[in-house]
Amino acid sequence: AQSVTQLGSHVSVSEGALVLLRCNYSSSVPPYLFWYVQYPNQGLQLLLKYTSAATLVKGINGFEAEFKKSETSFHLTKPSAHMSDAAEYFCAVTLYSSASKIIFGSGTRLSIRP
Amino acid sequence: DTEVTQTPKHLVMGMTNKKSLKCEQHMGHRAMYWYKQKAKKPPELMFVYSYEKLSINESVPSRFSPECPNSSLLNLHLHALQPEDSALYLCASSQDGENTEAFFGQGTRLTVV
Repeated sequence: AQSVTQLGSHVSVSEGALVLLRCNYSSSVPPYLFWYVQYPNQGLQLLLKYTSAATLVKGINGFEAEFKKSETSFHLTKPSAHMSDAAEYFCAVTLYSSASKIIFGSGTRLSIRP
Repeated sequence: DTEVTQTPKHLVMGMTNKKSLKCEQHMGHRAMYWYKQKAKKPPELMFVYSYEKLSINESVPSRFSPECPNSSLLNLHLHALQPEDSALYLCASSQDGENTEAFFGQGTRLTVV
């Protein structure tokens, strides 16, 4: 079965530092991968998605993710953290049979230190 | 319009009450979803409607009853809930098909007393 694993339930970085949130997938077929962000008491917003057209995917708010098949990874990065990036981040995979079924990883809470 | 609108934003209900959560989208999406999210946990899939037909039910208790009156609307009827059903209920929609992202509403914060 396809699934995603997020390493680290909580990541804390200083403002201006590199952000790296880890996601590994398990799949026997090419996966459809996404990163979502959730701010407190809000719904989820799509940051970016892997389309198989390019291994490096650029998203909103300066985030990007690189699909590495050899490592079964889809880590999320941002060169310079901003205070407004503090939120919960979810990696997700889509399973498709009769309908799309989006399954989320356990989430990583990102904190930004001033 | 890329919004999914959920009402109400907050709901407090007793264990004997009957209430409904509503979700609306006007993006022409043919798949709609209900997720349940507990505090500090990821969203858990409850139901998927594809072309207005229930296609996935993740073994959800019958006290939760989904309904899709048309391609733009999705309801979740609630009856005889338990306090442990208190959570954020998220609606989402997508084009349906492989590699299609979902658009989420802001959620309904449900408290069962």
